Amino acid sequence: TQLLEQSPQFLSIQEGENLTVYCNSSSVFSSLQWYRQEPGEGPVLLVTVVTGGEVKKLKRLTFQFGDARKDSSLHITAAQPGDTGLYLCAAIISSGSARQLTFGSGTQLTVLP
Amino acid sequence: KAGVTQTPRYLIKTRGQQVTLSCSPISGHRSVSWYQQTPGQGLQFLFEYFSETQRNKGNFPGRFSGRQFSNSRSEMNVSTLELGDSALYLCASSPVWNTEAFFGQGTRLTVV
Repeated sequence: TQLLEQSPQFLSIQEGENLTVYCNSSSVFSSLQWYRQEPGEGPVLLVTVVTGGEVKKLKRLTFQFGDARKDSSLHITAAQPGDTGLYLCAAIISSGSARQLTFGSGTQLTVLP
Repeated sequence: KAGVTQTPRYLIKTRGQQVTLSCSPISGHRSVSWYQQTPGQGLQFLFEYFSETQRNKGNFPGRFSGRQFSNSRSEMNVSTLELGDSALYLCASSPVWNTEAFFGQGTRLTVV
């Protein structure tokens, strides 16, 4: 079982449509990150949310951290083909003195022209 | 500022061989992490190094190992390659221990 569950797994939409993808967990996180990965490239950090209820905007992308800091959403307004990619949420998981960045399974978004 | 550089970009190896992948982090970054990405399992954490010390290790067999040098460059080694080791291996660097990660383009390893 994934610690971070992302939905939907795949999403194909037309240019100009709006969409929301979700990242859910039963655990509480001190922060949560969103990355986008394009084919043949490594993931690129989009945003970090740290406060429960926090909303951050990055042009047409709106990120929200749940009040209980267990979940997050990414909303894209008027999607464009350039938004195509794999969207990954990630959280730093601590175990004793060890910490690691753990990723969700991702949402593969395709925006058709 | 140069990004994270991984070499080689593509690699084809035969079962049973061993392979070494290299990662040069962003200048000034002391933390380097390695991940394996496959279609079925997604991004899986391999290990993380900070100041030449392995701080954390994921749930991978002992065939997977790594090290970090004094200049923060890192290598990972996979011995006795199996078909299932075919994957994109990603390296990420962070300014300090496991904060926001900056990824390289990855090394695509194919085991035949």
